[in-house]
This record gives sequence, structure tokens and C-alpha cells, in this order.
Amino acid sequence: NAGVTQTPKFQVLKTGQSMTLQCAQDMNHEYMSWYRQDPGMGLRLIHYSVGAGITDQGEVPNGYNVSRSTTEDFPLRLLSAAPSQTSVYFCASVGRADTQYFGPGTRLTVL
Amino acid sequence: AQTVTQSQPEMSVQEAETVTLSCTYDTSESDYYLFWYKQPPSRQMILVIRQEAYKQQNATENRFSVNFQKAAKSFSLKISDSQLGDAAMYFCAYRSPYYGGSQGNLIFGKGTKLSVKP
Repeated sequence: NAGVTQTPKFQVLKTGQSMTLQCAQDMNHEYMSWYRQDPGMGLRLIHYSVGAGITDQGEVPNGYNVSRSTTEDFPLRLLSAAPSQTSVYFCASVGRADTQYFGPGTRLTVL
Repeated sequence: AQTVTQSQPEMSVQEAETVTLSCTYDTSESDYYLFWYKQPPSRQMILVIRQEAYKQQNATENRFSVNFQKAAKSFSLKISDSQLGDAAMYFCAYRSPYYGGSQGNLIFGKGTKLSVKP
């Protein structure tokens, strides 16, 4: 049981490049979310999904896309990276027990 | 909309002593969940303790306990017998009980950085 996994752990991009952050969970959770963590800001919700085929925006969705084709996977796409997207990104899933399980995070730097 | 406030950006405690981290929140819901997460330098988010608002009894997990004051909308974390490994960022978080829409997600405070002195 791996829980929530994220890849890559670190990434450096140039402004304008695109990339996908991968997230997978093996707990059969319906609910999955992406957060970003910036210094002094706590964690803020980017996008979330309540099940396969269903996604919605969170607090800070601009510049990001998501899709949910399977229960297990919830990738986050940066369409055209900007320095303001330099952050640490966390994927999380929620089970019926209502506890959120977090992945290890991805540290992204956009130059 | 719900908000979570942690008014102490940084705290310090001597090893083996007790420290209390503060958290207040604002909500119009009568039922909800509250959490404390620990984030060590490895940046992994680790659940420390959770509290259901309908339960009057304060949650405890070994050296960690909470003081939940529903009327005052206060949810403080007490760490007893502090250890060097307790040094980390601590986040207070709120979650609606409803399993649907955006309510299933956590609302975080900005965190408190705890240092433990040997």
C-alpha cells in the first residue's frame, strides 16, 4: 500500500514551458485535490475532483489544468509556466473516514 | 466562507517542556472537522490529531492533545514533554463534514514554526 505518490520530487522549468505533475493513490479514494504551498501562505487549493470524470476549481486555479480519467490518477498540468508558479505542490486524497492523506510534494522552480 | 487563523508565526520551547499552539477559525456550520498537521523539514504533511466538532471530549494522541472550545471557535494544540523531533511547521486545518463539492477540501491556517531547544 503506497498511499499517495507524486512525481517528480523536484523540477526546474523555464518560463513558458509546460509540464505535468503526476499524482496517484492506491486507496480507492474518490476525492483528490491539488494544493500549493508558498512561504507564509499555508496551503491553498488549486483544483479538486470528487470522482473519475469530475473536476472543479479551487482557490487558485489560474494557469493549471486537471483531468481525472481513473480513480487512481489525478495529474496537474502547467500550461505555460510562470515564475509565480514557483512553489511546493501537494496532492492529497480523502477517504470516507474524512482524513486527508498527502503525497510527499513536488518542489517546482520556474526561472 | 470558512477561515482559519494561526496568530503565532513562530514559537520556541525547551526540550521536555510543554508548549501550546493557537488556532482560531470562523464558520457558520455546526458540524465540522478540525485537524493539526505537522510538516518537518522533509516537507511531508503528517496528521497529528483530528477533532470532530460534535464530540465534546478533547482528542489526544500520546503527547499531543487539543483544547477544543466550540463556542469560542478555538482549537489549540498542546505538546507535552517536547522532543527535538517535534521541531516543524504546524498547520491547523478545517474541513466541512459534507462529502461533496469543494467542502471536502481542507482550509489551512498559515502555520506556526516550532523550534525545540536542547
